[in-house]
Amino acid sequence: DAKTTQPPSMDCAEGRAANLPCNHSTISGNEYVYWYRQIHSQGPQYIIHGLKNNETNEMASLIITEDRKSSTLILPHATLRDTAVYYCIVRGPGNKLVFGAGTILRVKS
Amino acid sequence: GAVVSQHPSWVICKSGTSVKIECRSLDFQATTMFWYRQFPKQSLMLMATSNEGSKATYEQGVEKDKFLINHASLTLSTLTVTSAHPEDSSFYICSARRGGGGSYNEQFFGPGTRLTVL
Repeated sequence: DAKTTQPPSMDCAEGRAANLPCNHSTISGNEYVYWYRQIHSQGPQYIIHGLKNNETNEMASLIITEDRKSSTLILPHATLRDTAVYYCIVRGPGNKLVFGAGTILRVKS
Repeated sequence: GAVVSQHPSWVICKSGTSVKIECRSLDFQATTMFWYRQFPKQSLMLMATSNEGSKATYEQGVEKDKFLINHASLTLSTLTVTSAHPEDSSFYICSARRGGGGSYNEQFFGPGTRLTVL
């Protein structure tokens, strides 16, 4: 599975949109982009996933570039409870989820 | 989303004893379950993959005789840490995937089990 690169940490003001970038320049055609987050001392929580098109659900939006080499997770109105480690993972069908270092998002009031 | 539970949520044991951790998918059938380990301030590390009714596949460097995995049903997998030592102290997280592992089958995680070996 393709490797991903994320910034180690980001800060965001409460109520503002949090935009978390992820580079996956070696992604192949059948690999999906998944986003999970982990709040301290809890199991990871699924957020969203996509292949080529932009996706939106009740938690977030996922914007994937046309060449699919990068993506951005958008939390439209960040709250203090969104403070967590966010993981961007690329996975092929039937393959394992392998976690990288992720991005520590700190939402500040 | 689907719910995965783990029991116990935390456990303290003496060195040399064995500890069993249960992982259950509560509202779906999981043909594949995964076990991860996470040390403080580190990311999750995949230990093994188990498919219902067959032997688990362990990642490189994970001792299969030390970490016994049983996936006896579509809703239950267990991890037994045998002869635990202080270096086995960690946060153990299980995960369950619905269906046959296709692209649209999200993987859901349990809340984790904190193991402390004295």
